[in-house]
Amino acid sequence: DQQVKQNSPSLSVQEGRISILNCDYTNSMFDYFLWYKKYPAEGPTFLISISSIKDKNEDGRFTVFLNKSAKHLSLHIVPSQPGDSAVYFCLQVGNQFYFGTGTSLTVIP
Amino acid sequence: GAGVSQSPRYKVAKRGQDVALRCDPISGHVSLFWYQQALGQGPEFLTYFQNEAQLDKSGLPSDRFFAERPEGSVSTLKIQRTQQEDSAVYLCASSPGSPAGYQFFGPGTRLTVL
Repeated sequence: DQQVKQNSPSLSVQEGRISILNCDYTNSMFDYFLWYKKYPAEGPTFLISISSIKDKNEDGRFTVFLNKSAKHLSLHIVPSQPGDSAVYFCLQVGNQFYFGTGTSLTVIP
Repeated sequence: GAGVSQSPRYKVAKRGQDVALRCDPISGHVSLFWYQQALGQGPEFLTYFQNEAQLDKSGLPSDRFFAERPEGSVSTLKIQRTQQEDSAVYLCASSPGSPAGYQFFGPGTRLTVL
């Protein structure tokens, strides 16, 4: 059973607009979340993280929101740029490590 | 190099063949992870080392899979008697300390079993 789900396999956004990528999880025992970005034929690269003591973390154009009651987190990218086009994964970390299935983001110039 | 490196980048094996995949983590990184990523899926955790100690191998799919990190640096993932369902990208990651910290990933090894 998938512990971490990203229900949108793909997303297209116009350059300059906001991209919102979502992630839902089932096990609230593990309380640290990370977002990774992956280009084809490369390994994932770390973007931003959040722990359960916070509900928001911001780093430049990237903001992650954590809604613990809904077991949901989201990554906001604003403004979106063509170079943001990649597959995005959320990762839940505790004493286990669970990746989501990924969302392929396309930013249209 | 400054990053995590993996070799080979691509491996084609005949069913039943044994393979060995190598991971060179970032120098000084304590934690090392192996993941398996099937086509169209997210990476799935296989195993985790802290230095030379394998602290979690709960994700290894069968006893055909074996990982080692004898000197707490380079790691090898070995798959014996490969099967077609083993075809995937195998990702290695390292982190400087606690496993809760963010992980630096290598480019992966794409294994194709014919």
